[in-house]
Amino acid sequence: DAGVIQSPRHEVTEMGQEVTLRCKPISGHNSLFWYRQTMMRGLELLIYFNNNVPIDDSGMPEDRFSAKMPNASFSTLKIQPSEPRDSAVYFCASSPSTMWQERTEAFFGQGTRLTVV
Amino acid sequence: DAKTTQPNSMESNEEEPVHLPCNHSTISGTDYIHWYRQLPSQGPEYVIHGLTSNVNNRMASLAIAEDRKSSTLILHRATLRDAAVYYCILRGRYGGSQGNLIFGKGTKLSVKP
Repeated sequence: DAGVIQSPRHEVTEMGQEVTLRCKPISGHNSLFWYRQTMMRGLELLIYFNNNVPIDDSGMPEDRFSAKMPNASFSTLKIQPSEPRDSAVYFCASSPSTMWQERTEAFFGQGTRLTVV
Repeated sequence: DAKTTQPNSMESNEEEPVHLPCNHSTISGTDYIHWYRQLPSQGPEYVIHGLTSNVNNRMASLAIAEDRKSSTLILHRATLRDAAVYYCILRGRYGGSQGNLIFGKGTKLSVKP
């Protein structure tokens, strides 16, 4: 398996524009996580899906951020409108979904480095 | 949410053992202790996890205190490639965020040649 695939790897956009980040989880994994990482705030969990359903979205900063998981093999994180303070590295991770969720390991993508100018 | 406490940074010499501590005094009976690490410019990667007993794998060992309020990640022979931020995380079964994976600030490990 190619692992968790994120695209694009780098994105530079102007303030006010819409940005869509994409993630393809590992086949067979039904749990998916979106994180944002900055020097100031570290690695923050934005949203966590299980079987395509958002379980915890308490980390989504504000209404400008939205995430979807239309099927088990694809997820998007959208920022509209984007602002300079959204500049960060965004990671997607997936893990197997079983009864024993707490025993499983998560696999991370390489991240998308977003710069909003 | 159960929380963990780790030192901000640690230093080690190459080829020496490294013991990375983690305190989790509010751990619940069903929380698993997970360790991840993040190499520079990469996404986090899984290292090891355990519940009560000590665990070993090809990357590291995990020593868990008898009362489970603390644990130690052991790298038996540090290499330059082990320089990374190491995160200790509790992952639980119950509660509103079942199965969630929340990272703290971690310990930045530096390895000197």
